[in-house]
Amino acid sequence: GAGVSQSPSNKVTEKGKDVELRCDPISGHTALYWYRQSLGQGLEFLIYFQGNSAPDKSGLPSDRFSAERTGGSVSTLTIQRTQQEDSAVYLCASRAYTDTQYFGPGTRLTVL
Amino acid sequence: GNSVTQMEGPVTLSEEAFLTINCTYTATGYPSLFWYVQYPGEGLQLLLKATKADDKGSNKGFEATYRKETTSFHLEKGSVQVSDSAVYFCALNRLIGGSQGNLIFGKGTKLSVKP
Repeated sequence: GAGVSQSPSNKVTEKGKDVELRCDPISGHTALYWYRQSLGQGLEFLIYFQGNSAPDKSGLPSDRFSAERTGGSVSTLTIQRTQQEDSAVYLCASRAYTDTQYFGPGTRLTVL
Repeated sequence: GNSVTQMEGPVTLSEEAFLTINCTYTATGYPSLFWYVQYPGEGLQLLLKATKADDKGSNKGFEATYRKETTSFHLEKGSVQVSDSAVYFCALNRLIGGSQGNLIFGKGTKLSVKP
């Protein structure tokens, strides 16, 4: 079946602009996660959605970052007023009822 | 708190050599433990996992045993191949009220296998 998909695969933006990154989880998966991967910081958790519960936002690095999940499926991660330190690969993962998370291919964000 | 510490690389081996990548963890409760692999130009893939103490996860010739007494989950393979060249990440899942939360990753170990 289809895996987790993310779009765009690459995004280049200018400092100060807003960006939106999209994640389509595996159909039927109730949990959805955003992580980011950068050379300096490794793999960091950002935010977690589980069903209809309030999201766990404990990993968001600043209030410039936000995410929503519509209809329990697609999720959008928004970064406002992007900074150069936001450059990273943003990964989305989804999970069903087991403990295994399945990752998408990521969106590589470059802030000039 | 929760954390994962894994052997820093890079690690370079010859084909058919024995591989060990060390991973230790600190955790609240009894999380599941994972090894994920990232091949060049590809996304993260689950390699193996173990959900409780003394469980052994295995896949593609790789093995790791969940050791509660030493808080370790070392990855081993008896005979590596060039195709095993990748970055390997050890991880645990943060438990929230006993339920699954996010993964906490080690910094990754880059493995290069030479023919």
